[in-house]
Amino acid sequence: SQTIHQWPATLVQPVGSPLSLECTVEGTSNPNLYWYRQAAGRGLQLLFYSVGIGQISSEVPQNLSASRPQDRQFILSSKKLLLSDSGFYLCAWSVLGRNTIYFGEGSWLTVV
Amino acid sequence: AQSVTQPDIHITVSEGASLELRCNYSYGATPYLFWYVQSPGQGLQLLLKYFSGDTLVQGIKGFEAEFKRSQSSFNLRKPSVHWSDAAEYFCAVTPGSQGNLIFGKGTKLSVKP
Repeated sequence: SQTIHQWPATLVQPVGSPLSLECTVEGTSNPNLYWYRQAAGRGLQLLFYSVGIGQISSEVPQNLSASRPQDRQFILSSKKLLLSDSGFYLCAWSVLGRNTIYFGEGSWLTVV
Repeated sequence: AQSVTQPDIHITVSEGASLELRCNYSYGATPYLFWYVQSPGQGLQLLLKYFSGDTLVQGIKGFEAEFKRSQSSFNLRKPSVHWSDAAEYFCAVTPGSQGNLIFGKGTKLSVKP
């Protein structure tokens, strides 16, 4: 069966520091991969999605970037965090060509 | 543009009572529809989905949802709520091109003993 792992689960970072959140999917090949952010009172927002290695689409211009160095690995990064980057970040995957998205356990980011 | 509306921000029901969470969507054609549940501090778990066929779909944990095209709705129901159902519930749609989900703002469910 397929599983998705996301880490770290919790992160407290100072303003201006870099960020790296990692996500890996096991048990499937060539998945679609997604990064969502859930900010307080703002629901879930799609940040990035990827249909293959090196293929990243950004949905919202922001201080963040994403990379997919391997088929089942998706990384969310920032060079310099802002206070507004605080939130709950969720990695997700779907089978290529299918429409059901499955989520990881999420990463809490607090920028102080 | 597609959108999803969950008109109830917070609902409180007594344990054992029935539950209905509302969801309305805006989309030109029939979208793919989903309900997810999120327990505090955790990721989203898929409850059920509708793609086509029977408009009444069954999900996990005793939940069901009914797609009504005429009302552009996909309401979630459960006949008898358990205390463990307390969580936040999200309705979502996707037009299906890349599977990108558009979420409603969520409905927080509290369960009274």
